[in-house]
Amino acid sequence: QLVLTQSPSASASLGASVKLTCTLNSGHSNYAIAWHQQQPGKGPRYLMRLNSDGSHSKGDGIPDRFSGSSSGPERYLSISSLQSEDEADYYCQTWGTDNWVFGGGTKLTVL
Amino acid sequence: QVQLVQSGSELKKPGASVKVSCKTSKDTFTRFALNWVRQAPGQGLEWMGWINTNTGRPTYAQGFAGRFVFSLDTSVSTAYLQISSLKAEDTAVYYCARDPAGGTDGFDIWGQGTMVIVSS
Repeated sequence: QLVLTQSPSASASLGASVKLTCTLNSGHSNYAIAWHQQQPGKGPRYLMRLNSDGSHSKGDGIPDRFSGSSSGPERYLSISSLQSEDEADYYCQTWGTDNWVFGGGTKLTVL
Repeated sequence: QVQLVQSGSELKKPGASVKVSCKTSKDTFTRFALNWVRQAPGQGLEWMGWINTNTGRPTYAQGFAGRFVFSLDTSVSTAYLQISSLKAEDTAVYYCARDPAGGTDGFDIWGQGTMVIVSS
């Protein structure tokens, strides 16, 4: 059974950097994931696909400030030069055969 | 650029049915997996299932078989989510979303969402 675990909340200051974590459960550490951003009152937006080797491909129009990396079962989303519009919920997602799973989401507060 | 355009908000009474539509461009309709995602008020994203736009075969996530039905009308490049015997706990925003690889990738395009409110 595929499970993704995210911390419920994170915070960082305007202009700083932050690294959000998504953890795959045992037996699935080589799975790719996707990261999505959901700003308040809006629908989700695809940020990137992130592979187990850390390679990633971003969606159209996603700024260079967003990047991804991987280590074992951990998948990271790094955001640099934080802006106020980065305050949002961030969800990771993975998939198996006929099955997609979301993490619980991390609420990022920009201080 | 491919877009998924959903139908507008709905207010329904308990026990009624609702049909949410998700329209895309004709030239891409049969080349991807069309998924449905529920987001209850204040909650996270919950995958409901998907429909194969080539074969029309639906797959439902656990907890979404029975009252939830996915369908297609390929003549108008539109997918549908129908929910019957509505309950208050069906109140949520429903999103359609595309997996461009037809079943083996994340969702790269999302509809704008359809709010369904179930209230007497």
